[in-house]
Amino acid sequence: DAGVIQSPRHEVTEMGQEVTLRCKPISGHDYLFWYRQTMMRGLELLIYFNNNVPIDDSGMPEDRFSAKMPNASFSTLKIQPSEPRDSAVYFCASRRTGPSRGYTFGSGTRLTVV
Amino acid sequence: DQQVKQNSPSLSVQEGRISILNCDYTNSMFDYFLWYKKYPAEGPTFLISISSIKDKNEDGRFTVFLNKSAKHLSLHIVPSQPGDSAVYFCAASPSSGSARQLTFGSGTQLTVLP
Repeated sequence: DAGVIQSPRHEVTEMGQEVTLRCKPISGHDYLFWYRQTMMRGLELLIYFNNNVPIDDSGMPEDRFSAKMPNASFSTLKIQPSEPRDSAVYFCASRRTGPSRGYTFGSGTRLTVV
Repeated sequence: DQQVKQNSPSLSVQEGRISILNCDYTNSMFDYFLWYKKYPAEGPTFLISISSIKDKNEDGRFTVFLNKSAKHLSLHIVPSQPGDSAVYFCAASPSSGSARQLTFGSGTQLTVLP
């Protein structure tokens, strides 16, 4: 079990550029979550999917943010255009339907927009 | 409006002493609580959890206490070790809802001094 895999680990981009973050959940996990970590707000839920379908995107800060899950093994979070205030660590997490409510997190993508 | 609050952004304790991390919540629908530990450049990892039917759960050096009437939980680490230095996130999950998604606090940076 390779765990939740995120790429890239680090991304530095210029303001106005498009940024795409990628996530591969654990095989068999039917829920996928995107979180953003900032100093001020801690871990914020941006969006989550169930069986590849977006269920709740109320945490997505603006229309500049979009997320997709074309299949059970891949999801992307896109920011277009990026702004300096988007700088944060973005985490993907997954879990399986069942009694356990814990998530498995990826190692995160540290995004810096200059 | 933060539903899960960790009011202490940082805590320092001496090696061998007890570390107590606190967490408060406001949503009465939360019935399951978890603590996650996060090292730099890594994703959060599950540490310990407690269901609302209990008021204490112990796992080795880690004990979580739940006071439902006060909507308060705490994590005790005894004895504290330098390797426990990390950010600790409190999380809560509701009793219903398809995903029972986790709501996280803003985290507490624990530093255990040798």
